Amino acid sequence: GNSVTQMEGPVTLSEEAFLTINCTYTATGYPSLFWYVQYPGEGLQLLLKATKADDKGSNKGFEATYRKETTSFHLEKGSVQVSDSAVYFCALSDLSSSNTGKLIFGQGTTLQVKP
Amino acid sequence: EAQVTQNPRYLITVTGKKLTVTCSQNMNHEYMSWYRQDPGLGLRQIYYSMNVEVTDKGDVPEGYKVSRKEKRNFPLILESPSPNQTSLYFCASSYKSYNEQFFGPGTRLTVL
Repeated sequence: GNSVTQMEGPVTLSEEAFLTINCTYTATGYPSLFWYVQYPGEGLQLLLKATKADDKGSNKGFEATYRKETTSFHLEKGSVQVSDSAVYFCALSDLSSSNTGKLIFGQGTTLQVKP
Repeated sequence: EAQVTQNPRYLITVTGKKLTVTCSQNMNHEYMSWYRQDPGLGLRQIYYSMNVEVTDKGDVPEGYKVSRKEKRNFPLILESPSPNQTSLYFCASSYKSYNEQFFGPGTRLTVL
């Protein structure tokens, strides 16, 4: 079945460091891919998305490119801030049962940025 | 403001005491869904609804019920909660099932 695997956390970085959070997926067909962010005590917010191969999603300095050849959607940011501390979830839309609207999530990666 | 609201945000209850978690959206979305979030497991879909009076099971529906009598509301019902339903619950909605989903703030449920 379809699945998403994220690198395990927590990831601890100093402010202004470069961030990469790895995400790989297994899916049939051509799913859409998403990164959601969950700030402490809050719900999930869509950070960025990509709907087809080679698409690059970007938002708030974060980027991720849909790589079909490596089945990956790694999240990157050039210079993190303390305010980026959160849990990041990679997800795909489950097109194998397209009418469910189900999102399949990775287990989440906690990012902690220190001043 | 466009949003998905959930109530209550926090709930501690005891085994077997029926409870309802409400979910409401003000975006006229057709599609709504419930997820639970557990450490190390990410989010898993419990139930979903394509439109009013149309609901179906997700991946982990056991022990839960839902209803969709109005477009804006999608309550999650636990008829006889058990400790393994202790979790963080999220409601989500989107215009159609294939559109971007908007999530509520979450309900943290503890069943003793």
